[in-house]
Amino acid sequence: DQQVKQNSPSLSVQEGRISILNCDYTNSMFDYFLWYKKYPAEGPTFLISISSIKDKNEDGRFTVFLNKSAKHLSLHIVPSQPGDSAVYFCAASAAGNNRKLIWGLGTSLAVNP
Amino acid sequence: GAGVSQSPSNKVTEKGKDVELRCDPISGHTALYWYRQSLGQGLEFLIYFQGNSAPDKSGLPSDRFSAERTGGSVSTLTIQRTQQEDSAVYLCASSLGAPGGQYFGPGTRLTVT
Repeated sequence: DQQVKQNSPSLSVQEGRISILNCDYTNSMFDYFLWYKKYPAEGPTFLISISSIKDKNEDGRFTVFLNKSAKHLSLHIVPSQPGDSAVYFCAASAAGNNRKLIWGLGTSLAVNP
Repeated sequence: GAGVSQSPSNKVTEKGKDVELRCDPISGHTALYWYRQSLGQGLEFLIYFQGNSAPDKSGLPSDRFSAERTGGSVSTLTIQRTQQEDSAVYLCASSLGAPGGQYFGPGTRLTVT
């Protein structure tokens, strides 16, 4: 069963607009969540993370929101740039699980000029 | 400083042969993880090292897979008697410890013919 779900395989937005990528999880033991960006033939690049004790974390154009009661998190990119086009993965970890990352299947973001 | 490096970047091997994949983590990172991404699949956890110990090997798919880490640094993932289903991109990540971002290498693309 998929413990971390990214239900949108792809997303297309215009340059300058907001990109919102969504992620849902089922395991209430997860207490740390991460977003990674991946280009073809490269390893994932860490973007931003959030602990379950927070509901928002911001880093430049990237903001992650966490709704624990809904077991939902989202990544907002504002403003979106063509260089943001990549596959975005949501991952979750738990303290009691050696912090191994459990991954969603990714959302392919295309930012159009 | 240098990021996580992996070698080789690509490996083509015949079914039944053994292969060794190498990971050099970021200096000072005590935690090291191996993941793999098969075609059309998400990333899946293989094994976790803390120092030279592997407290979590739960993701290794069969006893043909083994890994070691020496000097709290370099790790080698060995696949014996490779099968076609072992074809995947094998990714290594390191981190300072929990919680925190895991930093990935570029991966090794393994193709078993």
